[in-house]
Amino acid sequence: DTGVSQNPRHKITKRGQNVTFRCDPISEHNRLYWYRQTLGQGPEFLTYFQNEAQLEKSRLLSDRFSAERPKGSFSTLEIQRTEQGDSAMYLCASSSEGWGQGNQPQHFGDGTRLSIL
Amino acid sequence: AQSVTQLGSHVSVSEGALVLLRCNYSSSVPPYLFWYVQYPNQGLQLLLKYTSAATLVKGINGFEAEFKKSETSFHLTKPSAHMSDAAEYFCAVSFTGGGNKLTFGTGTQLKVEL
Repeated sequence: DTGVSQNPRHKITKRGQNVTFRCDPISEHNRLYWYRQTLGQGPEFLTYFQNEAQLEKSRLLSDRFSAERPKGSFSTLEIQRTEQGDSAMYLCASSSEGWGQGNQPQHFGDGTRLSIL
Repeated sequence: AQSVTQLGSHVSVSEGALVLLRCNYSSSVPPYLFWYVQYPNQGLQLLLKYTSAATLVKGINGFEAEFKKSETSFHLTKPSAHMSDAAEYFCAVSFTGGGNKLTFGTGTQLKVEL
């Protein structure tokens, strides 16, 4: 178990630029989640995958956001035409599916901190 | 809809004193409840989870939490605080059929003083 890995750890970019983040989950986990955390708040759910299928997207995920998990392993989150309000910590988590569907704990990466100039 | 309320955005205790962090949940279906800890510039680490087995749940680093359905609470406790416990703590809820996605509270910053 090498843990959830996220790259880059920090990203600074100018408003209007596109950015892409990568998440490598724990290898045996088939579920992968993206959350966004702003200063002083708890993480907010953005989207999740079961294997390569994207099963749910939050209303927070505007058209400028897109996430993929092409082979059911790593995932990427892209933000197009970044805005000041996109500045946040983007967290990735993974879990196994579990018999109860809701009871498997999620393991988090250290996040990618995005700063928009 | 599920939600979590954490009472007290900042809690300060003396080293060796009892730690009590409060969490109340709202859920129309049986919930699964979790406590996570976050250190600066890091991700979240699972402390403990409630998944409908024992109502008193023991976690890592001496923490425990008790699920009380009648009070819709899942408060986190530790008998004796240590300096290394200073961090932000998040309570979260998920439920069967919800894709396991977590809904988090706004967090409680724990400060431990000498």
